[in-house]
Amino acid sequence: DVKVTQSSRYLVKRTGEKVFLECVQDMDHENMFWYRQDPGLGLRLIYFSYDVKMKEKGDIPEGYSVSREKKERFSLILESASTNQTSMYLCASSRITGELFFGEGSRLTVL
Amino acid sequence: GENVEQHPSTLSVQEGDSAVIKCTYSDSASNYFPWYKQELGKRPQLIIDIRSNVGEKKDQRIAVTLNKTAKHFSLHITETQPEDSAVYFCAALSGGSYIPTFGRGTSLIVHP
Repeated sequence: DVKVTQSSRYLVKRTGEKVFLECVQDMDHENMFWYRQDPGLGLRLIYFSYDVKMKEKGDIPEGYSVSREKKERFSLILESASTNQTSMYLCASSRITGELFFGEGSRLTVL
Repeated sequence: GENVEQHPSTLSVQEGDSAVIKCTYSDSASNYFPWYKQELGKRPQLIIDIRSNVGEKKDQRIAVTLNKTAKHFSLHITETQPEDSAVYFCAALSGGSYIPTFGRGTSLIVHP
């Protein structure tokens, strides 16, 4: 069974704090993604990675960075959290042109 | 780039009725069209997909149709049940791309 695990289901942070969201997949997938999910806006791609140390910006990369030091792990970093980054964050992984497997999501609240 | 429009944004049906969700895409090179279901509080999961070399695919009560000429594809759910209540996302991928473009989602509510 494919497993994509996100480190935290719920986080509450203060404005200006640095936030790390971690994602680990156990299926040796090449591709990993970070999405942001907001009501009425669907799934918006923040960053994706097609290989270790490789990353590409998605549709809404501003205010975010990512790290992929190992194939199984893809981290999303908010250098200085702001209230407009309060959202649900979903990690996903896939093989080349394949089905996306999502994590359970991390709900971040920035006060 | 690809643009995917999804309608309706919300759909309310009675148990046993059929439900249809429609998506249009802009890139004629798109050739893979998956549908994901997200139940409340859970992760999105693939429920059915279709590739551009077929016009229709069925899996029990769900089916997907594709019209390449008109660049639209639809999800059909027959004999809806309360457990079909969820948000459904369509997506499109171009050949050679591994990045899906998602529609904004449809919230389906099935009333018992």
